[in-house]
Amino acid sequence: GESVGLHLPTLSVQEGDNSIINCAYSNSASDYFIWYKQESGKGPQFIIDIRSNMDKRQGQRVTVLLNKTVKHLSLQIAATQPGDSAVYFCAENPTGGFKTIFGAGTRLFVKA
Amino acid sequence: DAMVIQNPRYQVTQFGKPVTLSCSQTLNHNVMYWYQQKSSQAPKLLFHYYDKDFNNEADTPDNFQSRRPNTSFCFLDIRSPGLGDAAMYLCATSRDYPSGRVLNEQFFGPGTRLTVL
Repeated sequence: GESVGLHLPTLSVQEGDNSIINCAYSNSASDYFIWYKQESGKGPQFIIDIRSNMDKRQGQRVTVLLNKTVKHLSLQIAATQPGDSAVYFCAENPTGGFKTIFGAGTRLFVKA
Repeated sequence: DAMVIQNPRYQVTQFGKPVTLSCSQTLNHNVMYWYQQKSSQAPKLLFHYYDKDFNNEADTPDNFQSRRPNTSFCFLDIRSPGLGDAAMYLCATSRDYPSGRVLNEQFFGPGTRLTVL
């Protein structure tokens, strides 16, 4: 079946270092991918998205890379800050419709 | 500020006692979603409304129902809560574009944490 999963459940980085969070997806027909950040006690918050016709997209301190050949997605956070500590979910939009499938999540810890 | 509001933030109910969770939005989005999120897990879609059209996920138990009386409000009804229904319930909204192309960025509320005693 369809699935979106993450390689590492927990990631610990030093403040100021770059973070890379990885995600694998299984549905080659998916055409839209989103990264969400969820802080403790809050709902997920949109970070950045990418369409399948792109390989890379940059935002403020964040970059998403999409490798369709191996069905892999990554989120890069530059100069990681304590406020980046959260759970990060990749999400997949298989049909271009309304259903979004979330991956298992990676918890990012930022050490001061 | 435009937002998604969920009330209450914390809800305690008894085993088998019906409970209703509320969601409202000021974004004027035409799509509204309900997710269930258990501890340390990803949100799981229960159902969504596209305007007044209700779309149930195949694996959503019959115990979960929803109502959307107007664009702004959506309710989640749990008819007979079991201990396994204790979770965070997230409401989200999204819109589609006039061109017909869907941009599925979803805007989430803060969630309602449900405890079942």
